[in-house]
Amino acid sequence: GIQVEQSPPDLILQEGANSTLRCNFSDSVNNLQWFHQNPWGQLINLFYIPSGTKQNGRLSATTVATERYSLLYISSSQTTDSGVYFCAVEREGGGSQGNLIFGKGTKLSVKP
Amino acid sequence: DGGITQSPKYLFRKEGQNVTLSCEQNLNHDAMYWYRQDPGQGLRLIYYSQIVNDFQKGDIAEGYSVSREKKESFPLTVTSAQKNPTAFYLCASTPRGRRSGANVLTFGAGSRLTVL
Repeated sequence: GIQVEQSPPDLILQEGANSTLRCNFSDSVNNLQWFHQNPWGQLINLFYIPSGTKQNGRLSATTVATERYSLLYISSSQTTDSGVYFCAVEREGGGSQGNLIFGKGTKLSVKP
Repeated sequence: DGGITQSPKYLFRKEGQNVTLSCEQNLNHDAMYWYRQDPGQGLRLIYYSQIVNDFQKGDIAEGYSVSREKKESFPLTVTSAQKNPTAFYLCASTPRGRRSGANVLTFGAGSRLTVL
């Protein structure tokens, strides 16, 4: 099956710093999503981005489908950005069933 | 507000007991999913359902069972056959269809099961 690798596994930032999280995947995809899991376990969708670039406030994401990677940028980080960021993909030709394969996540800690 | 409600939030079970986790959504979504999350790991798919009265096994279905009698409800039973059931369980849904973004997952708050 498709493999999803996220890096770095852990990241510690000072409040106000910028960061880039990476997601590599091993096959062509028709669905790629980024999620944030807060310390209480709630997962929130950040982006649906199988290709191209999107921005939402201090967050932006870019997926280069031909090179099989996606990047999540966090600018001017805040303590509320802490948590785990997951990348999840669905293999192209998977039937649009929404069955996403998740990476192991990047755990972000933002210090005041 | 529309969303997904999971209950209970915390559950303790003795070995050998079956337990059922509830998942209810009022988003009018067609598809529903159950994921399992272990510490430091990503999510793994247990079961999914695209439509009422139909469901398919995910990657780790052994020891679990589901039903989909109503569009709004997708309960998960963790049976005594599940060898290592202690985990965080997440229910999700999508509107389904082939339009752009149709398969964006919305998650419930999760249920944390501990086997004593």
